[in-house]
Amino acid sequence: DIQMTQSPSTLSASVGDRVTITCRASQSISSWLAWYQQKPGKVPKFLIYKASSLESGVPSRFSGSGSGTEFTLTISSLQPDDFASYYCQQYKSYPLTFGGGTKVEIK
Amino acid sequence: EVQLVESGGDLVQPGGSLRLSCAASGFTFSNYKMNWVRQAPGKGLEWVSTILSSGDGTYYGDSVKGRFIISRDNPKNTLFLQMNSLRAEDTAVYYCAKARDGYLSFDYWGQGTLVTVSS
Repeated sequence: DIQMTQSPSTLSASVGDRVTITCRASQSISSWLAWYQQKPGKVPKFLIYKASSLESGVPSRFSGSGSGTEFTLTISSLQPDDFASYYCQQYKSYPLTFGGGTKVEIK
Repeated sequence: EVQLVESGGDLVQPGGSLRLSCAASGFTFSNYKMNWVRQAPGKGLEWVSTILSSGDGTYYGDSVKGRFIISRDNPKNTLFLQMNSLRAEDTAVYYCAKARDGYLSFDYWGQGTLVTVSS
């Protein structure tokens, strides 16, 4: 099974900050990586697919990069609506696996 | 507009069974792989199962393999999850999720249905 490890698990930041979340795969997944945002009590929202492709309607301050085993999600200028948890997910092979999540908190 | 509406969540005793449904609309259901993803209280996301568009292929996470069965009724635009031999650790919100195009990222999610396994 491919293990997905996110860091940090919690991140404290201020509005306007540039924020970077890292996701590492235990083996190469090429670019078969997605990112999701989830607010408390809400449904996960699809942000990015194939490591760097922005889903339609997602603000351009979100970007993804990486390939192989190391990936990043970057928020260029953190907005109040962005305080949430973020999850990466590999879809290179079954079983599909998620990272443990990164909670972005208000500093 | 894509809509996924789950139902069937309930309180069930350990060892019991439950069947979840997900009614889909707003897209050609029979063209897409469909999935179940769960989230235990206060925990992260866990993939449960995937079914291919025609229903002729199914995949399961290790924690549910042999106990859960995913199925679909394409003419009725409905996805199912038959859950047997339920355990306390199956307690979670279960989401139905549509696969994006031919791949297995999840572009649309239902609102979720809560399954509680407890005596």
